[in-house]
Amino acid sequence: EDQVTQSPEALRLQEGESSSLNCSYTVSGLRGLFWYRQDPGKGPEFLFTLYSAGEEKEKERLKATLTKKESFLHITAPKPEDSATYLCAVQAPETSGSRLTFGEGTQLTVNP
Amino acid sequence: NAGVTQTPKFQVLKTGQSMTLQCAQDMNHEYMSWYRQDPGMGLRLIHYSVGAGITDQGEVPNGYNVSRSTTEDFPLRLLSAAPSQTSVYFCASSYSWGRREKLFFGSGTQLSVL
Repeated sequence: EDQVTQSPEALRLQEGESSSLNCSYTVSGLRGLFWYRQDPGKGPEFLFTLYSAGEEKEKERLKATLTKKESFLHITAPKPEDSATYLCAVQAPETSGSRLTFGEGTQLTVNP
Repeated sequence: NAGVTQTPKFQVLKTGQSMTLQCAQDMNHEYMSWYRQDPGMGLRLIHYSVGAGITDQGEVPNGYNVSRSTTEDFPLRLLSAAPSQTSVYFCASSYSWGRREKLFFGSGTQLSVL
């Protein structure tokens, strides 16, 4: 059974204070690891997909990295508008068609 | 380009009532799915479809029915609502190229069953 564990559950940062979110996963092979951002009352918004260990992707202040057991979402010099819940999900090789296994998310708050 | 559209945004039902949550996408995506999101449990897959006329069960399918008569629409039916179905429901659509896939989510339907 595929499993995704995210830590910490909640994180409070001061504006400009860099940090990382962790996503540990167990899956029989990995078709893709996804990061989403979710604002209150809205649907998840796609950020990144990583496909193989060693891969990295960046978008503004966010950088996602992937190893064989976990992924990190690094947030550099965050701003209050980065406050959101960040979701990690995995897709196994035999699955396709919108079938992901999600973690519970990390709720990030960035104070000005 | 509207993306994935869900209606209604909010709904209150009494136990035993039935209703249909609507989902439509205008991106010509072959894959669509329904998830529910509950506090402390993350998003869980209810049903999914890999194309018109083809549906299958996800992790938590009990109490829900789906059908996919067109590429664009993927409604979720609650035949006899129960309080345990109180949740936020998200519809998603995706396309794949090779082994790569990208999912897009709707804005959600918040359902309360009394």
